[in-house]
Amino acid sequence: AQKVTQAQTEISVVEKEDVTLDCVYETRDTTYYLFWYKQPPSGELVFLIRRNSFDEQNEISGRYSWNFQKSTSSFNFTITASQVVDSAVYFCALSGPSNFGNEKLTFGTGTRLTIIP
Amino acid sequence: DVKVTQSSRYLVKRTGEKVFLECVQDMDHENMFWYRQDPGLGLRLIYFSYDVKMKEKGDIPEGYSVSREKKERFSLILESASTNQTSMYLCASSTRTGRETQYFGPGTRLLVL
Repeated sequence: AQKVTQAQTEISVVEKEDVTLDCVYETRDTTYYLFWYKQPPSGELVFLIRRNSFDEQNEISGRYSWNFQKSTSSFNFTITASQVVDSAVYFCALSGPSNFGNEKLTFGTGTRLTIIP
Repeated sequence: DVKVTQSSRYLVKRTGEKVFLECVQDMDHENMFWYRQDPGLGLRLIYFSYDVKMKEKGDIPEGYSVSREKKERFSLILESASTNQTSMYLCASSTRTGRETQYFGPGTRLLVL
């Protein structure tokens, strides 16, 4: 069975600080995909990134960066120089191989990030 | 841009009522999903559909049914609403393969009294 753990329930940081959101996953599949979504107060989940299990390169997109380490089954998300607009709930998710019945995503319980002005 | 819309942002129903939640996507996606989101539990899959008239149970299908008569539309039905179905309901869609990104609607916050 697949499992995603986001141990940090809530994090608060002062604006301009860096913050890292942790994500640890469990799967028996050799091919899988990892995702991060952002849910602002408006409620809609916004896709941030998708990573496949064969690509362990870190990725940077502006102030966002992701660190994928298969050895520790982690896919952590760092926001550099945080801003108030980064306040949201962030979800890490895992999907399996592409077979019928495996299209679903397994989500973590989310981390609520609050950026204090 | 992918667009997934849900019929209502907020809904208040009484116990025992039949409730329909509608979801429409405009990207010709094969897969559609219904999740519910509860504090501390994250998102849990209720049902998904990989084609018209096809459906698969997710992790928590009890008390729900679904309908997919057209490719773009996926309905979630609460046959007899109960207070423990008070929740945020999120619809999503994606292309055929499991590796593809799911795109979400804005959610429907349902309150059952």
